[in-house]
Amino acid sequence: GQQLNQSPQSMFIQEGEDVSMNCTSSSIFNTWLWYKQDPGEGPVLLIALYKAGELTSNGRLTAQFGITRKDSFLNISASIPSDVGIYFCAGPPMDSNYQLIWGAGTKLIIKP
Amino acid sequence: DTGVSQNPRHKITKRGQNVTFRCDPISEHNRLYWYRQTLGQGPEFLTYFQNEAQLEKSRLLSDRFSAERPKGSFSTLEIQRTEQGDSAMYLCASSPPIPLYEQYFGPGTRLTVT
Repeated sequence: GQQLNQSPQSMFIQEGEDVSMNCTSSSIFNTWLWYKQDPGEGPVLLIALYKAGELTSNGRLTAQFGITRKDSFLNISASIPSDVGIYFCAGPPMDSNYQLIWGAGTKLIIKP
Repeated sequence: DTGVSQNPRHKITKRGQNVTFRCDPISEHNRLYWYRQTLGQGPEFLTYFQNEAQLEKSRLLSDRFSAERPKGSFSTLEIQRTEQGDSAMYLCASSPPIPLYEQYFGPGTRLTVT
């Protein structure tokens, strides 16, 4: 079945740094979603992308829908402590109109 | 607060017991989803309701699992004869008719089976 691969698995960042992460698939997606999850909480929707090449921002977050439709990227500018958490990409598989499949997440950790 | 709510937030049960979780979606959302999440993984789809109709079920949803949404509003997920492998976070999400794929999640119910 379709799978989403996220990289890196984790990143240590210093406050103020820019962060980049990506999500790839061996098959095409028509929608990409980026979520953030804090410990013990449900995922929170950050950005939704619907068109190949689309670039969408939400505050300091910017996400892009890759031109090949097999990847997506999330950038966070000028990171702050509350950016710590796990970032997931998700998308609807071709054989379903309802469910989402998810990557394993990128864990963001602030360097002490 | 008009977000998705789930109860209880935590449940500890002994192996073999039955448990039931409740989800109250955002009121204007007609679509409701259940997912399961284990440590270090993304959520895995379990089942989907459009109004009161259960339209899609994952093969992860064994015979011991059943979900209902009797009046198209709140939903319940029941696990019978719990096993240690059922220990996970159970997440509920809801979405409006459009946009189709933007799902909004509740805080989850953490199940521990001892």
